[in-house]
Amino acid sequence: GESVGLHLPTLSVQEGDNSIINCAYSNSASDYFIWYKQESGKGPQFIIDIRSNMDKRQGQRVTVLLNKTVKHLSLQIAATQPGDSAVYFCAEIYQGAQKLVFGQGTRLTINP
Amino acid sequence: GAVVSQHPSRVICKSGTSVKIECRSLDFQATTMFWYRQFPKKSLMLMATSNEGSKATYEQGVEKDKFLINHASLTLSTLTVTSAHPEDSSFYICSAREKDAPQYFGPGTRLLVL
Repeated sequence: GESVGLHLPTLSVQEGDNSIINCAYSNSASDYFIWYKQESGKGPQFIIDIRSNMDKRQGQRVTVLLNKTVKHLSLQIAATQPGDSAVYFCAEIYQGAQKLVFGQGTRLTINP
Repeated sequence: GAVVSQHPSRVICKSGTSVKIECRSLDFQATTMFWYRQFPKKSLMLMATSNEGSKATYEQGVEKDKFLINHASLTLSTLTVTSAHPEDSSFYICSAREKDAPQYFGPGTRLLVL
């Protein structure tokens, strides 16, 4: 069935470097996307969202890029810090639906 | 803003007992609440979707008689795991959403059934 998937299950970056987490989705009808951060033993935390009528959205230290042509979503984290260590999930929702479809998650680890 | 709480955060119970988990939206009215289950190192698995004042819609494979969901008000939903068994041990997470707004998640409840 339709699903949201991630290219890599793990990502290691040096502290201070930029991180890029990728996500592929297969449902062309999806019109809303969210990135969540989940730290160990906690619930997912909303980071940033983007609607399908946009291709880029920026937050504090984070940027989400949406490429509808290739059905690709990415999360960029600038100047990665130890506190950014977590599992990052992308999620999609398609028009008229209530529920999110989650990707498998990418674990981001920060090397000192 | 957009804070969702869960209670309890951890619960240990004996096999055969029932456990109730509460999910509250603290600063907004949640027209829709969701219950998820998460196994270690896995993504979130949606169990059911609950609209205030309506019966919950369960995902395929989720036993509605086993996992009772009540969404009696715009700020509270409860999940009751009835006759819990060790295989029900898991991390249960709720989320809540106001109309056309993002879903916000609670901190999760870790259930251990002995």
